[in-house]
Amino acid sequence: YMLTQPHSVSESPGKTVTISCTRSSGSIASNYVQWYQQRPGRSPTTVIYEDNQRPSGVPDRFSGSIDTSSNSSSLTISGLKTEDEADYYCQSYDSNNWVFGGGTKLTVL
Amino acid sequence: QMQLQESGPGLVKASETLSLTCTVSGGSISNSRYFWSWIRQPPGKGLEWIGTVHYSGITYYNPSLKSRITISADTSKNQFSLKLSSVTAADTAVYHCARQGEGPWGQGTLVTVSS
Repeated sequence: YMLTQPHSVSESPGKTVTISCTRSSGSIASNYVQWYQQRPGRSPTTVIYEDNQRPSGVPDRFSGSIDTSSNSSSLTISGLKTEDEADYYCQSYDSNNWVFGGGTKLTVL
Repeated sequence: QMQLQESGPGLVKASETLSLTCTVSGGSISNSRYFWSWIRQPPGKGLEWIGTVHYSGITYYNPSLKSRITISADTSKNQFSLKLSSVTAADTAVYHCARQGEGPWGQGTLVTVSS
């Protein structure tokens, strides 16, 4: 199956943005979803794991959810800061294999 | 705080074998809850999963790379390793190691395949 993300999104500082990740076949609830942030020139870091869990140190402005009706996962970032500008990737599993979305470039302007 | 660090040659000749090691500090790779993975990112492109290992020796490989990959864990050194054989220019990428799920990821290492 594939995970489809919007190529890019943009929003203003202080606002809230939601990035979607749609699973092409099979239920989104069947396998955990992770979200990774990759700032320019940096390695990815995990901002959400197991659908809606935040690693230690990730601010609660970041939240994750799944919606079985749209078969998608969403990453929501509230109170946007310029430092949130980055590429965001969703990732799930197909059996024990990882599947990545194509990535979404978030611009905070 | 757990940290991962990739190491290995930054330049590999075409047709040869790429070898990288990921050293884990601040935690044990022998913890049965954890799986350890390699991911790569060609310049300017997205992320591609390479494969995953458990300290017990269980491995999962990307089907598109399976014939060329070996991933193993060395509990005595708290490391896990990647070998990718018969490399071509298409294997030029930043290679990352990561703990599955919560992370963290290593800083990544650029490997260039030269002709």
